[in-house]
Amino acid sequence: AQSVTQLGSHVSVSEGALVLLRCNYSSSVPPYLFWYVQYPNQGLQLLLKYTSAATLVKGINGFEAEFKKSETSFHLTKPSAHMSDAAEYFCAVTPSGGYQKVTFGTGTKLQVIP
Amino acid sequence: DVKVTQSSRYLVKRTGEKVFLECVQDMDHENMFWYRQDPGLGLRLIYFSYDVKMKEKGDIPEGYSVSREKKERFSLILESASTNQTSMYLCASGTLSRGEIQYNEQFFGPGTRLTVL
Repeated sequence: AQSVTQLGSHVSVSEGALVLLRCNYSSSVPPYLFWYVQYPNQGLQLLLKYTSAATLVKGINGFEAEFKKSETSFHLTKPSAHMSDAAEYFCAVTPSGGYQKVTFGTGTKLQVIP
Repeated sequence: DVKVTQSSRYLVKRTGEKVFLECVQDMDHENMFWYRQDPGLGLRLIYFSYDVKMKEKGDIPEGYSVSREKKERFSLILESASTNQTSMYLCASGTLSRGEIQYNEQFFGPGTRLTVL
C-alpha cells in the first residue's frame, strides 16, 4: 500500500521569497515520486520526478525536490517565487518495478503575493 | 510533445442522463486513466486500462464504466448521471518504458468540468 500526505492545502508566499511545499509518503517498497503542477483550468503537468538515481532532483521553472528516505519526505522548493508560480501542486507516489497505480496527494494551492 | 485531448472542456447534463467523456492520446501509450478531481480530495482514480479492451477498477468505480476499443481512445461513461458526479474529470496516458517515458509518468488532458443538474 502507498499513500501521500501534503501538509497545507494553501500556502502563501511573497514574490521573491522561498517556496517550500511539503510532501511525505509511505510505501512498502522503494518508491518513485513525482511533483505535478496544475495551472487554472488546465490539466496536470509534470514538474519533476525521483526514480532512484540522484536524491536531489531538479525540475522545470527552477523547482527542485530532495528525496529523504529517513524522513520519508519529498519536499518541493524554489529559492525565489514568481507570480507565474501561482498554481496547485500535487505530489504523487508509485512503487518502483513494473506498472503500479499512482497515488496522488490532495494538493497544495500556492498563492504568490506581489 | 505528448498530447492528450478530451472531447469537452465544460459539460452540463441532467440527472439520469447517460454521459460519455472521450479521451484521445497521440503517443501510442499502452496505459490510460480516468480520474476525478474534487477540492480537498485531490485526484482519485476511477478506472484505468493497460491495453485495448482491458480495464481495471480504480478507487471509485461505482457509477462509472469505461470502454477502450482502440489504443488511442479511452471513454468514460456515466450510465445514469447523478448530482454527486459533478466534478472535474481528468484523463491521462502513460507507458511503463519507452525511450524517455518511464516510471509511470502520466500525461494529462486539460480536463472536463461536468455539472449534473
